[in-house]
Amino acid sequence: NAGVTQTPKFRVLKTGQSMTLLCAQDMNHEYMYWYRQDPGMGLRLIHYSVGEGTTAKGEVPDGYNVSRLKKQNFLLGLESAAPSQTSVYFCASRFWTKETQYFGPGTRLLVL
Amino acid sequence: KQEVTQIPAALSVPEGENLVLNCSFTDSAIYNLQWFRQDPGKGLTSLLLIQSSQREQTSGRLNASLDKSSGRSTLYIAASQPGDSATYLCAVRSTGTASKLTFGTGTRLQVTL
Repeated sequence: NAGVTQTPKFRVLKTGQSMTLLCAQDMNHEYMYWYRQDPGMGLRLIHYSVGEGTTAKGEVPDGYNVSRLKKQNFLLGLESAAPSQTSVYFCASRFWTKETQYFGPGTRLLVL
Repeated sequence: KQEVTQIPAALSVPEGENLVLNCSFTDSAIYNLQWFRQDPGKGLTSLLLIQSSQREQTSGRLNASLDKSSGRSTLYIAASQPGDSATYLCAVRSTGTASKLTFGTGTRLQVTL
């Protein structure tokens, strides 16, 4: 099993550009999450999904959109990137009956 | 609003020492608490999960305790090794939040030879 994978690993954007981060898991997990990690701050939840076709806002959802069209994939979109969105983005997933979350390796995003 | 604090932010110990990492949280109405390990440039790996009804959990050289009433958890690492060098994060899931974890900022541990 590959576990949780994230694409791309690193990306540089200019202000105003758009992009989509892809998270894929092969563990048949129902729940999936997108977090961002910034220096001096704990991981913060952006959006999450409790199943295919469902999404919900987390702590810092502004400027991001998500989609869960397939159970194994969770996409995070930035429609118009801003320097404040420079961060490391982590995806995670878990079974709905288990509390342990499994994390991907992260995507480092730099917005100039 | 739940807040999670981890002290110290960084810690350096010689190999073989036993050590304790601290985590405190402001709202005692929690569902569970988890300890994670994060290696540089990598994602998080779950180490231990303590349900609110439990007092401690053990895995190998790791022991995590939970005192919900005082809003504190500790992660005890016995006989530390250089391979234990990493950042350790704690996270709490508060009651009434279906999926949301609140993370601390972590303790960066370095175990020296």
